[in-house]
Formats: sequence, structure tokens, C-alpha cells
Amino acid sequence: KAGVTQTPRYLIKTRGQQVTLSCSPISGHRSVSWYQQTPGQGLQFLFEYFSETQRNKGNFPGRFSGRQFSNSRSEMNVSTLELGDSALYLCASTNRGLPYEQYFGPGTRLTVT
Amino acid sequence: AQKVTQAQTEISVVEKEDVTLDCVYETRDTTYYLFWYKQPPSGELVFLIRRNSFDEQNEISGRYSWNFQKSTSSFNFTITASQVVDSAVYFCALSETGGFKTIFGAGTRLFVKA
Repeated sequence: KAGVTQTPRYLIKTRGQQVTLSCSPISGHRSVSWYQQTPGQGLQFLFEYFSETQRNKGNFPGRFSGRQFSNSRSEMNVSTLELGDSALYLCASTNRGLPYEQYFGPGTRLTVT
Repeated sequence: AQKVTQAQTEISVVEKEDVTLDCVYETRDTTYYLFWYKQPPSGELVFLIRRNSFDEQNEISGRYSWNFQKSTSSFNFTITASQVVDSAVYFCALSETGGFKTIFGAGTRLFVKA
């Protein structure tokens, strides 16, 4: 069974630009969560999508948004990039049945210059 | 509010030593799940174990063991006879029932020297 895939793996953007990251969950998994990992703030929950609907949301500004498609693939978008958005963005999938083991992808390393 | 505290930022041991990673959590929920994840240098988090709040039985899996104590809100992780391949960042995490918002601790970086 293929794992969680994330594209691209590395990205360099300029302040003010926007970026879209993609996540393909494990086959059969319908829940996708996104996390931001930085040295200063650690791993922080961004949001979770299940059946194309956002079910949970973390404490991030509205510049961070996401969506999920009918095939469970998910994208997250960050608009008006700031230097502080430089981070490793991790996507995790689960089948949403108990228990809640999340399977993580390798992440997308975003650098904002 | 939920919170996970991993007070040990970095731990350095010599191969074959035993090492315990501490995790203390806070939650108002009576039902919750605790997790440990490993993040090797490659960056991908790897699930190690899950515990629900009603199961305080300790668990052993090979060289890994976990001690869950509700009375002290702790979920500690011990690696016996550590190996160089155990070098990684280890995260303790908490998730409330019905939600998928997982709160992670700051992580403990473990260095195992040969």
C-alpha cells in the first residue's frame, strides 16, 4: 500500500506570493490533516478535512486555507506569504475510524525569501 | 485547554544505554488518546504507539516500552539498549475523542552515540 505522498517536496517562494501544496492520502483514508512544523513553534495543527469538508481548524490566520477533493486528495494554500511561513508542512491521513493513528507524508519544505 | 509537555529538549546517550523520554499532558476530557511518534532525520513522522485514557496497561514492544499513569498525567517512553538508529526526534501527542486536532509536544531530540 502506497504511503502518503506530498508534492512538491521543496519550494522556494518570495514574500507576498501564494503557494499551493498537495497531499495524496493512503488509499481508503478519507481524512487528511495538515500541520506546520517550525523550529520555534514546533508541530502545529492547521486543519483537517473529511469528505471534502473542513472538520477541525487550528489557530492560523485566514491566509491559510485548504480543500479536499472527492478522491480525498487535499491541497493547502497560503496566500500573501510571509517570512514566518517558512516551515515544513506535513500532511497526515487516517481512515477516521478508531483508533486515530495518523500516517504522515514526508512533508513539503517551504522557504519564503 | 490541552497541552503536552516534553521537558527534555535533548538527550545524549551511549549505545546500549537505556533512556526514558518524559511526557506530561493536560486535558479536561475524560476520554482522550495519547501517541508517540518518531521523526528521523528524513523528516517523516512515524507512528509508534497509541493509548486511550481508559487503558493504563503498560506496553512493551521489543526494545520499546511505555508507562502510562493517569494519576500523574504522564506517558513516558523507554528505549532499552539504545542503538544508533534510535537517534531521532520523538514527539508525544494528545488527541481528544471525536476530534482530530492532535496536539504535539515540543519533541525530545535523542542522540545515540556509538
